[in-house]
Amino acid sequence: KNEVEQSPQNLTAQEGEFITINCSYSVGISALHWLQQHPGGGIVSLFMLSSGKKKHGRLIATINIQEKHSSLHITASHPRDSAVYICAVSGGYQKVTFGIGTKLQVIP
Amino acid sequence: DVKVTQSSRYLVKRTGEKVFLECVQDMDHENMFWYRQDPGLGLRLIYFSYDVKMKEKGDIPEGYSVSREKKERFSLILESASTNQTSMYLCASSSDDYSNQPQHFGDGTRLSIL
Repeated sequence: KNEVEQSPQNLTAQEGEFITINCSYSVGISALHWLQQHPGGGIVSLFMLSSGKKKHGRLIATINIQEKHSSLHITASHPRDSAVYICAVSGGYQKVTFGIGTKLQVIP
Repeated sequence: DVKVTQSSRYLVKRTGEKVFLECVQDMDHENMFWYRQDPGLGLRLIYFSYDVKMKEKGDIPEGYSVSREKKERFSLILESASTNQTSMYLCASSSDDYSNQPQHFGDGTRLSIL
C-alpha cells in the first residue's frame, strides 16, 4: 500500500464544474503539499498546510489530520486548470513522499 | 521569484555514456534535490544535498552520483547510462528544513537512453 494515495487518478470535467481531488496518507506528517504539473513538466507548489483550510483564488485545500485526509477543490473550473495535481507529505527532515498524481482535463 | 533552471529540456544519449544533468538555483537555498518521475510511480528521490559538498542518498540512488561544488549548482551524473534510466528528471531546491518550506522545481529534463 502506498503511503500517499490520490483519487481519482484521472478526471475529466466540463468547464465551470466544481472539482474535488482527494488525498489519503498513512504516515505521520508535519505538512501536506498540493502541487500542479502542467504538460511539459514544470511543477508549481499550490499549497502547504498542516491544519484547516487554505484558499487561493478558485482553489481551496483542506486537511483533516485525524482522518489523515486532504482535499483539493477547484471552483468554476477552466480549461487552463488542466494539469496533473500531486499530493505530497513531509514527515521529517527532508523526508517527502509523493502521490502518483491526478490527471485533470477540463473541456470547454 | 525563485528560479530553478535545468540545463536541458530534452536529452538523448546512448547506453554506456556518462551523462551530466545540471541544475542551478538563484535563491541561495541550502537544500537541493534530484527526482525522477515515471508513469504510475510518482516522484522518487534519487539524491539530495543540504550544503556544499554534502550529499545524502534518497530512495533510488543506484546508478547515479551527484556533485555540489557550489551552493547554487547541483549536478546529477549517470555513470554509465542504461535504458532503464530513461525518465523525466526534476531538480528542486528549498531553504532550511523542507518541512516548513515548499520545494521549488525546475521544468524537468526528459532523458532518453537508446
